[in-house]
Amino acid sequence: TQLLEQSPQFLSIQEGENLTVYCNSSSVFSSLQWYRQEPGEGPVLLVTVVTGGEVKKLKRLTFQFGDARKDSSLHITAAQPGDTGLYLCAGNGAAGNKLTFGGGTRVLVKP
Amino acid sequence: GAGVSQSPRYKVAKRGQDVALRCDPISGHVSLFWYQQALGQGPEFLTYFQNEAQLDKSGLPSDRFFAERPEGSVSTLKIQRTQQEDSAVYLCASSLEASGFTDTQYFGPGTRLTVL
Repeated sequence: TQLLEQSPQFLSIQEGENLTVYCNSSSVFSSLQWYRQEPGEGPVLLVTVVTGGEVKKLKRLTFQFGDARKDSSLHITAAQPGDTGLYLCAGNGAAGNKLTFGGGTRVLVKP
Repeated sequence: GAGVSQSPRYKVAKRGQDVALRCDPISGHVSLFWYQQALGQGPEFLTYFQNEAQLDKSGLPSDRFFAERPEGSVSTLKIQRTQQEDSAVYLCASSLEASGFTDTQYFGPGTRLTVL
């Protein structure tokens, strides 16, 4: 069974601060995705990383896939209240496109 | 275009009742997934369809759970004799392709099931 562990589980910061969310596993994933989920809605895909060591930037969000494709991080620069939400990482193994999700990190950005 | 829709959005059932949850995927999407998300947790995979074929049902927690997609479009997740531990949000997702680990899954808003 492939498991993904996210840390921290909860993060509360002030507007303008930076934050990093981690996603770790003992298993290798073909790809890893990051989602954001808001209350009452389904997860929305932010990014997919495929290559070990890959770094992708999406405005103030920076995503990194570990060299061994077992871990990933999400860094938000100068967080804004609109960044508040549940951030989920999800890995895709070798067999098809079934996703294994981490437990999520709940981020609260206070104005 | 329209996204993935799910109905009902909320369902309250008494323990022992049967429930049926519906998913309308994005038109033309080949793959359809069901996930279960317990309160405060990430989604967990239940089952996967490629068109009308159920290719993976390894995540269904018991034989009380049954899913179908008879015409390769709309899907229904049925839970028989509901138990309190079935209380969760049930998410449906669809993707365009038949396979591929980089294919984007588009999620519906979910159905929140509460079993009393």
